[in-house]
Amino acid sequence: KAGVTQTPRYLIKTRGQQVTLSCSPISGHRSVSWYQQTPGQGLQFLFEYFSETQRNKGNFPGRFSGRQFSNSRSEMNVSTLELGDSALYLCASSLDRTGDKAFFGQGTRLTVV
Amino acid sequence: GENVEQHPSTLSVQEGDSAVIKCTYSDSASNYFPWYKQELGKGPQLIIDIRSNVGEKKDQRIAVTLNKTAKHFSLHITETQPEDSAVYFCAARTSGGGADGLTFGKGTHLIIQP
Repeated sequence: KAGVTQTPRYLIKTRGQQVTLSCSPISGHRSVSWYQQTPGQGLQFLFEYFSETQRNKGNFPGRFSGRQFSNSRSEMNVSTLELGDSALYLCASSLDRTGDKAFFGQGTRLTVV
Repeated sequence: GENVEQHPSTLSVQEGDSAVIKCTYSDSASNYFPWYKQELGKGPQLIIDIRSNVGEKKDQRIAVTLNKTAKHFSLHITETQPEDSAVYFCAARTSGGGADGLTFGKGTHLIIQP
């Protein structure tokens, strides 16, 4: 069974640009959540989706947004990139709406220059 | 919101010895507590989890204990091996309807000395 797949693995963007990251969950999983990982702040929750609906959102500015498609695949978008957005962005999928037993992908390493 | 404290930040043990990592949480509504292992260049890997209606759970060399009254939970690894070297994260969340995302501790870098 394939794991959570995130694309691209690495990305370099310039300040002010926008970026879209993609996540394909484990087959059959319907819940997808996103996290930002930085050395200073650690792992921080961004948002969670189930059946194409955003269930929860973490404490991030409106520049961070996401969506989930009918096949459970998810994308997150960051607009007007800032240097501080440089981080590892992780996607996790879970089987159902509880969000328990979340399995993470390898992440997308975003560098903003 | 929830706050999770994790100790120690670095733990060095001899191969074959036991390792214990401790976490405390602040929100009494939290009822789901997973532990993740992260190796360099990889995403976090779920190694064990526990719900608040259970006090202890064991899976081979790994065990987790939960004290709801004191709001703390711990990861125990016995007979440590070199491949146990990694960063370990504890997390907490309120699972179910209206659930929040996982709140993670800052991580423990576990070093297994040969």
